[in-house]
Amino acid sequence: QKEVEQNSGPLSVPEGAIASLNCTYSDRGSQSFFWYRQYSGKSPELIMSIYSNGDKEDGRFTAQLNKASQYVSLLIRDSQPSDSATYLCAVNGFDNYGQNFVFGPGTRLSVLP
Amino acid sequence: DVKVTQSSRYLVKRTGEKVFLECVQDMDHENMFWYRQDPGLGLRLIYFSYDVKMKEKGDIPEGYSVSREKKERFSLILESASTNQTSMYLCASSLGRNQPQHFGDGTRLSIL
Repeated sequence: QKEVEQNSGPLSVPEGAIASLNCTYSDRGSQSFFWYRQYSGKSPELIMSIYSNGDKEDGRFTAQLNKASQYVSLLIRDSQPSDSATYLCAVNGFDNYGQNFVFGPGTRLSVLP
Repeated sequence: DVKVTQSSRYLVKRTGEKVFLECVQDMDHENMFWYRQDPGLGLRLIYFSYDVKMKEKGDIPEGYSVSREKKERFSLILESASTNQTSMYLCASSLGRNQPQHFGDGTRLSIL
């Protein structure tokens, strides 16, 4: 069973700080990695995609991928109260049965004013 | 922007009823997915489809079936609704391999 793990949180950070969210995965064959944000009662919204080792920046968000260590992280700079949400890590790989898209359980982030 | 539309935001049905949840995407995506999400259990995959008239079971297919007669439409069917199927149902689509999934707004289904 392929697994994606995240700390459930809640992770609390003060406004303006850097929030760091981590995700580990079990399948070494995984090829693509995604971060979703989900506000309470809403559906997940894609915020970052990353496919190769290293960092990828988009505004206040930076995704980091290390395939050798099998982890992917999301940094949120200058955190705002509006960033308070659950963040889902998703990992995509392939096996003999086709595509295998696995979501982690999510980390709840709380940004305190 | 990708648009995934689910037919209802809220739905209330009775046990034993046959329930249809509809999902339409407007971006010619190959892949479509149905999930349910319950507190503390995360997203659980019910069924998915890689092509028209094609379907594959996910992790929790029992009590559900699906239909994909057209590329843009993926329907989830609860054959005989039960109270343990009360949940948030999420439809998603993706362009193809290695591409992210895009979600609809979800349907909050209550079975009484």
